[in-house]
Amino acid sequence: NAGVTQTPKFQVLKTGQSMTLQCAQDMNHEYMSWYRQDPGMGLRLIHYSVGAGITDQGEVPNGYNVSRSTTEDFPLRLLSAAPSQTSVYFCASSTGGGMGDGYTFGSGTRLTVV
Amino acid sequence: DQQVKQNSPSLSVQEGRISILNCDYTNSMFDYFLWYKKYPAEGPTFLISISSIKDKNEDGRFTVFLNKSAKHLSLHIVPSQPGDSAVYFCAATRTGSARQLTFGSGTQLTVLP
Repeated sequence: NAGVTQTPKFQVLKTGQSMTLQCAQDMNHEYMSWYRQDPGMGLRLIHYSVGAGITDQGEVPNGYNVSRSTTEDFPLRLLSAAPSQTSVYFCASSTGGGMGDGYTFGSGTRLTVV
Repeated sequence: DQQVKQNSPSLSVQEGRISILNCDYTNSMFDYFLWYKKYPAEGPTFLISISSIKDKNEDGRFTVFLNKSAKHLSLHIVPSQPGDSAVYFCAATRTGSARQLTFGSGTQLTVLP
């Protein structure tokens, strides 16, 4: 049982380049989310999904796209990378059970945009 | 406008003593609160949660207290162990929000042997 798998773990991009951060979970979780963590700011929600084919914007969605074609995968696309997108990105998944059930997080992707 | 605040960036305690981590929130619509622990280079790990209909929830060494009137919650760790040294995040969500979590900025706990 791998849980939530994120790839790559590290990435350096040049300004203007695009890339996709991969996220896969093998727990058959309905809910999946992407967060970014910046120093002194905690984690902020970028996009989320409540099931295959359904996505919505979080607090900081600008510059990012997502899709959810399967229950397992929830990739995050950076359309045109900017230095402000330098951050650590976490993917997370959760069941549709009790509201107090925590999300399971991946180990993160550290992205640097130069 | 931070809806969830952790005003102490860091906390140091002696091994075996109690650690108390605090969290305040402003949105009265939040009805579930969660605590996560994060080690360097790892993702956050869920610790414990509490519903707004309760004022206390306990799981082993970890207890979370909720004071709704003060919009304040705290995480107590007793006894503290060196392995508890990590960043602790408080998070909140509300029913009907599709489980969106709003996080505080975190508190670095250091447990000294």
